[in-house]
Amino acid sequence: EPEVTQTPSHQVTQMGQEVILRCVPISNHLYFYWYRQILGQKVEFLVSFYNNEISEKSEIFDDQFSVERPDGSNFTLKIRSTKLEDSAMYFCASSVEGIANQPQHFGDGTRLSIL
Amino acid sequence: AQKITQTQPGMFVQEKEAVTLDCTYDTSDPSYGLFWYKQPSSGEMIFLIYQGSYDQQNATEGRYSLNFQKARKSANLVISASQLGDSAMYFCAMNPGNQFYFGTGTSLTVIP
Repeated sequence: EPEVTQTPSHQVTQMGQEVILRCVPISNHLYFYWYRQILGQKVEFLVSFYNNEISEKSEIFDDQFSVERPDGSNFTLKIRSTKLEDSAMYFCASSVEGIANQPQHFGDGTRLSIL
Repeated sequence: AQKITQTQPGMFVQEKEAVTLDCTYDTSDPSYGLFWYKQPSSGEMIFLIYQGSYDQQNATEGRYSLNFQKARKSANLVISASQLGDSAMYFCAMNPGNQFYFGTGTSLTVIP
C-alpha cells in the first residue's frame, strides 16, 4: 500500500540553525500538509499546500516557516533560525483532494530536537 | 469556530472486552468528515475510520466502529474485542475542508 515517507526520522539541531524536513507524499495525491505535535500535546495544523502554493496556514506558521515542492515528488518544510520551542514531532500528510470526506494519510513523522 | 473535544485522557480495558472512546465536535460547516487515528508509542499516525456528515449509517472497519450521533455532535469510537496491540493514543479529528482539527487524545491501555 502506498504511504507517505518522511526523512529523517530524527533530527537534532542547534538553536538558531536552519532545518529542512522532507516528505514524499503518496504519488497520486494532490494536497499536502504539515502538522506539529509537541511532546504530550495534540496534533496542530501548520499549513496546507495545493497546486504549488499555500492554500491555508495556521497562526503557528509564521515567517520562520516555509514550504516548497522542489520537484514532482518531494514536499519540504523549512524552519529558519530554530528555537527551543520548535522541538516537536512534525508530520507530513497528503490527501487525494482537500475536501471533507478524504482521509489524510500521515507519514511516520520527524522528531525534531533543538538543543 | 471548529472544535474537537476528547474528555477521557486515559482509559483502561480488559483484553477481549469492548471499549468506547468519546469524541464531541463543534462546527458550523454543514459538510465535514470525522476521523479517528491511532498513535502507538512509536509515534506514527495510523488512520482507522472515517464518517461523513451526510452518511446515514455508522461507519465500521473490522473491530472499529464509529457511533455517530449528529444531533449530539458526537463521534465515539468503539473498539470491540480489544487486543494488547490496541494500547496507544487515539485521536479524534474533524475535517470540514482543508485542514484537520485534532482532539487532545485518549490514551488506551489494554490489560491482559
